[in-house]
Amino acid sequence: DAGVIQSPRHEVTEMGQEVTLRCKLISGHNSLFWYRQTMMRGLELLIYFNNNVPIDDSGMPEDRFSAKMPNASFSTLKIQPSEPRDSAVYFCASSSGQGNSPLHFGNGTRLTVT
Amino acid sequence: AQSVTQLGSHVSVSEGALVLLRCNYSSSVPPYLFWYVQYPNQGLQLLLKYTSAATLVKGINGFEAEFKKSETSFHLTKPSAHMSDAAEYFCAVNILTGGGNKLTFGTGTQLKVEL
Repeated sequence: DAGVIQSPRHEVTEMGQEVTLRCKLISGHNSLFWYRQTMMRGLELLIYFNNNVPIDDSGMPEDRFSAKMPNASFSTLKIQPSEPRDSAVYFCASSSGQGNSPLHFGNGTRLTVT
Repeated sequence: AQSVTQLGSHVSVSEGALVLLRCNYSSSVPPYLFWYVQYPNQGLQLLLKYTSAATLVKGINGFEAEFKKSETSFHLTKPSAHMSDAAEYFCAVNILTGGGNKLTFGTGTQLKVEL
């Protein structure tokens, strides 16, 4: 299995621009998680889906952030408009959704907003 | 609410020395606990997990962790550190919700291995 695949690996954009991060889940997994990692705040859960349905989006910073699962194997995280404080590494992770199932992480997208 | 606390944001050991990374959990029900490792510029990788089958859990790369209910701890150990163990380590607890499972991570411990 190829694992969780994220794209792009690096994104540099100017403040105000729209940014779209992409994630492909591991085949057969039905839970999808978006995390953000920064030096100051550590690893933060932004949102997670179960069977394509958003379960908890309380970690989404504000309305500029949105996440979708158009199908069972793919997700996007969009920031519009982007701001310099959004600069971070964004991770996507998937699991089989059972209580003892570990998360499988992608290699992340490093976002820099100038 | 379930949570984990990692004591010590930075730990430094000599190569060949014992590694001990501390994690304490808070949970009103028997938890599922995990340790993850993150190498630079990579995502988190699972080291080991506790799912109540055995209190001493062995993971990859020679790491193990012991679940101690009386101490609400799940400390990570390795008898002899190797330079390649230098990384950041995260403890995590599984929160079961009506819609599925959600992992909550500790703040991480950066392990430095010195010659």
